[in-house]
Amino acid sequence: QKEVEQDPGPLSVPEGAIVSLNCTYSNSAFQYFMWYRQYSRKGPELLMYTYSSGNKEDGRFTAQVDKSSKYISLFIRDSQPSDSATYLCAMRVLNDYKLSFGAGTTVTVRA
Amino acid sequence: DARVTQTPRHKVTEMGQEVTMRCQPILGHNTVFWYRQTMMQGLELLAYFRNRAPLDDSGMPKDRFSAEMPDATLATLKIQPSEPRDSAVYFCASGLIGTVNTEAFFGQGTRLTVV
Repeated sequence: QKEVEQDPGPLSVPEGAIVSLNCTYSNSAFQYFMWYRQYSRKGPELLMYTYSSGNKEDGRFTAQVDKSSKYISLFIRDSQPSDSATYLCAMRVLNDYKLSFGAGTTVTVRA
Repeated sequence: DARVTQTPRHKVTEMGQEVTMRCQPILGHNTVFWYRQTMMQGLELLAYFRNRAPLDDSGMPKDRFSAEMPDATLATLKIQPSEPRDSAVYFCASGLIGTVNTEAFFGQGTRLTVV
């Protein structure tokens, strides 16, 4: 079993819909949680960054972390065709900067 | 426009040949990572450096892979000899680790095909 599990999808939604992405993990030592967005044939780019449990909002994006359930989520409101990409969750422990990634979920937003 | 630069972007080579991938981290960043991405395994950490010193290379096959940072502006990843199973996209990432809210910024990757 992998340390970080993520449903690979694919996920196809109409423009304007809410996109919900999730990851579960097994290592209770993870403290930092990130979401990366990767467009086709590009490198991953950091989208959201959360320390420990709680919510964080940035424009149309909301990241949630529930450490008690070992579960993190990313919500995209009012989704746009430009949001079509692969979304990867990533996490790490305190004082060690190597990231453990989920498999990535491919999202297509239909115009 | 600060970004991580990787060269070459694409490389096709024959099995048994040496492959060298290069990375120029963002100026001032103190940590450099090498990741490999495949459909089957996703993104896997191969090695990372802090202030040019190797901190962790446990993800790297030691018999054929080597990673170095000759200076602060250049990181290299070498495969010798290359094998078809090394075909993947190799990403370099850099970060200013130790400050608040700073994580890794990725380059565009080197797409390696070993035939």
